[in-house]
Parts: sequence; C-alpha cells; structure tokens
Amino acid sequence: GENVEQHPSTLSVQEGDSAVIKCTYSDSASNYFPWYKQELGKGPQLIIDIRSNVGEKKDQRIAVTLNKTAKHFSLHITETQPEDSAVYFCAAPRAHTDKLIFGTGTRLQVFP
Amino acid sequence: DAGVIQSPRHEVTEMGQEVTLRCKPISGHDYLFWYRQTMMRGLELLIYFNNNVPIDDSGMPEDRFSAKMPNASFSTLKIQPSEPRDSAVYFCASSLDSVYGYTFGSGTRLTVV
Repeated sequence: GENVEQHPSTLSVQEGDSAVIKCTYSDSASNYFPWYKQELGKGPQLIIDIRSNVGEKKDQRIAVTLNKTAKHFSLHITETQPEDSAVYFCAAPRAHTDKLIFGTGTRLQVFP
Repeated sequence: DAGVIQSPRHEVTEMGQEVTLRCKPISGHDYLFWYRQTMMRGLELLIYFNNNVPIDDSGMPEDRFSAKMPNASFSTLKIQPSEPRDSAVYFCASSLDSVYGYTFGSGTRLTVV
C-alpha cells in the first residue's frame, strides 16, 4: 500500500530565511499531492496542492515541487514569518481509492 | 459556510464508558472522513463515507469502534467501551470530490482515564 515518508521531523529557521520540507511516496500511480498546515489546537488546513501533470506550483511565499521519476515532492516557504510556525503534513492518495495517506509531520519553528 | 463542525471539543471519560463524537460536514460535500491523531501514529484514517454510505472501514481499530452517517449533514463515531489507549484527537473531514480539498474540523480531544 501507499507509504509517505516526510523529513525533517523538526525544523527551526530564522525569520526571513527559507524552509524546505520533503516527502517521498511509494505508489507510482499516485497523482495528487497536497500539503496541510496544522496550528495548535486546530485541524489541518490545506495550503497548497499539486497534481502529477505539473512539476511546480507557487502561491505567494509557498511553492511545491514534484519529481515523479524520483517519487518525491517538496514544500518551499520563502521569507518565513513567525506565523508560519506550525506542523506541516504532506499527503498522497492510495492509488485508485479515495484515501489520503499522511506523512508524519514537520514541526516548523520560525524565530524572530 | 461555518466549515466542518465537530462536537464536543473536549471529552474526558472513564474507562468502560461509551463515547460519541459528532460531525457536521460542509453542505454539499459528498465525502466524509474520520481520522485519529496521536503522537505515536500520526494521522490515521479510520473510516470514510461517500453519499452517506460507508466505503472503507479497514482503519477502524476494533469492534469497539463504530460510525454512522444517517444523513448528509451528520455523522457519529462511537467507542463502546472506551479504553485509555483510545485517548487521541479525532478529526472529521469532508470533501466535495474524493481526496481533493479536504476540509478538517477542529477535532475532539478525547481523554479516557
């Protein structure tokens, strides 16, 4: 079945620096790769997603890149701000199902 | 739209008691998912519904767990009897179309003592 690995588990950066979180997936038939942000005491919130027919997608300070050959995708946050501090999850669908499998999460801390 | 609404936000119960968690999905969303989040196991899919019909319950840990969706605007997750190892945050999520664009509720933090 689908397995999603996420690294690093924690990441600390200075405000204004960039942050990169990486995920790998096992099922080559997966075709959709969302990223979720979870703030303390809240549910995960979708922040960006990418489908397998594109290699990169950008939305202001966040971007996601996809390498289908290597089966990995990454979240890039530029010009980080303290409010970016949260736990970030990647996910991928189990192929031919309606089920999203989540990575183990990355706790990002942005220090002012 | 108020988003996905879960109740209660917090539940503390004694081992052996029945616990019922509630979820109201976003109107018009055909899919509803129940997830459990723990430090050890992360986000685990327990069960999901499409058009009120349970499609896959393979993630339900054991027979003590059951879920229902009697109509398009309401779902419950029941644990009977509850055990301390059931302590976790339980999330409900809904989507318009399968895996695309989940919206999560704020979760129910369950503590079984």
